[in-house]
Amino acid sequence: DTAVSQTPKYLVTQMGNDKSIKCEQNLGHDTMYWYKQDSKKFLKIMFSYNNKELIINETVPNRFSPKSPDKAHLNLHINSLELGDSAVYFCASSRNRAHQPQHFGDGTRLSIL
Amino acid sequence: SQKIEQNSEALNIQEGKTATLTCNYTNYSPAYLQWYRQDPGRGPVFLLLIRENEKEKRKERLKVTFDTTLKQSLFHITASQPADSATYLCALGVGSGNTGKLIFGQGTTLQVKP
Repeated sequence: DTAVSQTPKYLVTQMGNDKSIKCEQNLGHDTMYWYKQDSKKFLKIMFSYNNKELIINETVPNRFSPKSPDKAHLNLHINSLELGDSAVYFCASSRNRAHQPQHFGDGTRLSIL
Repeated sequence: SQKIEQNSEALNIQEGKTATLTCNYTNYSPAYLQWYRQDPGRGPVFLLLIRENEKEKRKERLKVTFDTTLKQSLFHITASQPADSATYLCALGVGSGNTGKLIFGQGTTLQVKP
């Protein structure tokens, strides 16, 4: 059973399009995150949610809108995609607070043409 | 400015030797430090967590040290094996409560040769 699963694994699309990435965790964790890993491999936090409530928003452009329908799901919608959005996006979860070990999905590789 | 630095160059060692990876940081006051392993095409996997009041933590062949005066953590893999080849990420735990977050280094790639 996959603990944190993201779909799709690959996403290739044109500039200006809108796309969504879905994430689900079956660990019973309260906190979920979205990270972006750029070509230089830096992993940077974008958002975190605790029990469906937005806790951290790291100066991400408002073209990115996370949504948490319940504490097991955290989706990421991106409007008007730009070339600079090309990256690998990782979803993660932890028991309650960020200082707990985080469990990551295997990433969604987004390529903008 | 705030920085977290890991050896950007790959570390190549012979099987059976001890690998030592370094994580240095400036202008952060982390309450915790975590180490993760990342394989190509996969998400990071948690390995160890060490708190600011702990000097050393061990788990099987892994050992982490945390020196808040030097602002440095060292990650050791003893009796290294080719299967240990991966990228290792250190992450500082900053902030508190629900607003706490992890700040990741860029990782060090370890290659263990048989």
